[in-house]
Amino acid sequence: GENVEQHPSTLSVQEGDSAVIKCTYSDSASNYFPWYKQELGKRPQLIIDIRSNVGEKKDQRIAVTLNKTAKHFSLHITETQPEDSAVYFCAANTGRRALTFGSGTRLQVQP
Amino acid sequence: DGGITQSPKYLFRKEGQNVTLSCEQNLNHDAMYWYRQDPGQGLRLIYYSQIVNDFQKGDIAEGYSVSREKKESFPLTVTSAQKNPTAFYLCASTPPLASNEQFFGPGTRLTVL
Repeated sequence: GENVEQHPSTLSVQEGDSAVIKCTYSDSASNYFPWYKQELGKRPQLIIDIRSNVGEKKDQRIAVTLNKTAKHFSLHITETQPEDSAVYFCAANTGRRALTFGSGTRLQVQP
Repeated sequence: DGGITQSPKYLFRKEGQNVTLSCEQNLNHDAMYWYRQDPGQGLRLIYYSQIVNDFQKGDIAEGYSVSREKKESFPLTVTSAQKNPTAFYLCASTPPLASNEQFFGPGTRLTVL
């Protein structure tokens, strides 16, 4: 089955700096790669996603890049703000339309 | 997200008891999923259902059971066979065929006493 690895597990940045979180996946058939933000005790919220026919997608301060050949994708957050502090999860779909999640990255933005 | 509800928000269970977690959606979504999240970890798939009266095991199905008698409802039963059930349980659903996007419910936090 699909295996998704996510790095780093924790990331601390100064407010205004950029943050990058990286994921790799194993199943070359995966074609949908979402990123979720989860605050403590809350449900995951979709922040951006990308499909395999696209190499990059942006939404204001957030961008995702996908390298199908290398089987990795990354989340980029620019001009970080304290409210960006949360746990971020990457995921990849499987043939059964379920998602396999990475282990998460705890992002701390220092004011 | 607002169309998926889970109840209860918190649940306490004694060892040896079965408990059932509710998941309801009014989004007319076909597929529904149950995930388990342990502290500091990602989500792991327990069971999923693509259509009514059909469901499949996920990666960690042992000790759990589900039913899908109605499109709107996908309850999860945590049985006494699940040795370490304390976790945060999340239900999700997906719109018909073309979309992979999953919408999550607010979750149920289960604690075994």
